[in-house]
Amino acid sequence: DAGVIQSPRHEVTEMGQEVTLRCKPISGHDYLFWYRQTMMRGLELLIYFNNNVPIDDSGMPEDRFSAKMPNASFSTLKIQPSEPRDSAVYFCASKVSGPTEAFFGQGTRLTVV
Amino acid sequence: AQSVTQLDSHVSVSEGTPVLLRCNYSSSYSPSLFWYVQHPNKGLQLLLKYTSAATLVKGINGFEAEFKKSETSFHLTKPSAHMSDAAEYFCVVSGSGGYQKVTFGTGTKLQVIP
Repeated sequence: DAGVIQSPRHEVTEMGQEVTLRCKPISGHDYLFWYRQTMMRGLELLIYFNNNVPIDDSGMPEDRFSAKMPNASFSTLKIQPSEPRDSAVYFCASKVSGPTEAFFGQGTRLTVV
Repeated sequence: AQSVTQLDSHVSVSEGTPVLLRCNYSSSYSPSLFWYVQHPNKGLQLLLKYTSAATLVKGINGFEAEFKKSETSFHLTKPSAHMSDAAEYFCVVSGSGGYQKVTFGTGTKLQVIP
């Protein structure tokens, strides 16, 4: 398996623009997680899905952030409008049910200028 | 609810000396516990995992961790540090059954001095 695939790897955008981050989980995994990593706040869980349904979005910082999982093989995290404080590395991870580890993508480094 | 507390934000050891990175957890469920490592500007790699089998867990690169339920701890150890161990280490807790949220600790940066 190719692992969790995130795109793009790097994104530079101007303040106010819409940004869409993409994730393809490992086939057969029924949980998908979105995290944000910054120097100040470490790794924060933004939202997670089970069988394409959002279970806990309490980590989503504000209404500018939204996430969707239209099918088992694809998820998006959208920021609209983007702000400089959204600059971070965003990780996607997936796992199967049960006492198993989460597998992480390589991350998307977002820079908002 | 669940959480992990990593007791040290930075740990510095000399090459060849033991490593101890401390982690305490809290969980309303039977937890699964993990340690991940992140090298600078890299992704997250699984070091080891505890999933209710043996309480002493061996991982990659000579790392071990012991699950102690009475102390709610899952400390990471290595007998002899190598320069390549310099990285950030995360203790992670995951629930069970219908509660599979994966929660990270704040991380411990390990410095290895030659």
